[in-house]
Amino acid sequence: DIQMTQSPSTLSASVGDRVTITCRASQSITNWLAWFQQKPGKAPKVLIYEASSLESGVPSRFSGSGSGTEFTLTISSLQPDDFATYYCQQYDNYPLTFGGGTKVEIK
Amino acid sequence: EVQLLESGGGLVQPGGSLRVSCAASGLTFRSYAMSWVRQAPGKGLEWVSAISGRGGNTYYADSVKGRFTISRDNSKNTLHLQMNSLRVEDTAVYYCAKRSGENNGPLDYWGQGTVVTVSA
Repeated sequence: DIQMTQSPSTLSASVGDRVTITCRASQSITNWLAWFQQKPGKAPKVLIYEASSLESGVPSRFSGSGSGTEFTLTISSLQPDDFATYYCQQYDNYPLTFGGGTKVEIK
Repeated sequence: EVQLLESGGGLVQPGGSLRVSCAASGLTFRSYAMSWVRQAPGKGLEWVSAISGRGGNTYYADSVKGRFTISRDNSKNTLHLQMNSLRVEDTAVYYCAKRSGENNGPLDYWGQGTVVTVSA
């Protein structure tokens, strides 16, 4: 199984900050990686797929990069609506696996 | 507009059984692989099971293999997860999610989830 390691697990930031979250796969997944945002009591929402493609309707301040085993999600200027938990997920093969999550908190 | 609506969650005793379902609308259901993903209270996301668009291929996490069975009825646009021999650690919100392809692609649409509680 492919293990996904996400860091940091918690991140304290202010509105307007640039935020970067890292995800590492235990083996190459090419670019078959998605990033999700989840708010309390809600279902996850896909932000990025194929490592760097922005899902329709997602603000352009979100971007993804990487390939192989190292990936990043960047929020260029953190907005109040962005305080949430973020997950990476590989979909190269089954079992699909998620990172442990990064909670972005208000500093 | 794609909509996924889960149902069937509830309280069940350890060792018991439960079937949760997901009704899909706004899409050609048979064209897409479907998955179940769960989230235990205060924990992260865990993929549980998946089925290809035509239902010929099924996949399970090791934690549920042999106890859970995924199925779909493409004539009724419905996905099911039959859960047997339930354990306390199966307590979670269960989400159904659609993949963007017949057997691949990201999980691009999710339901709102149904709560399964396993407790004596």
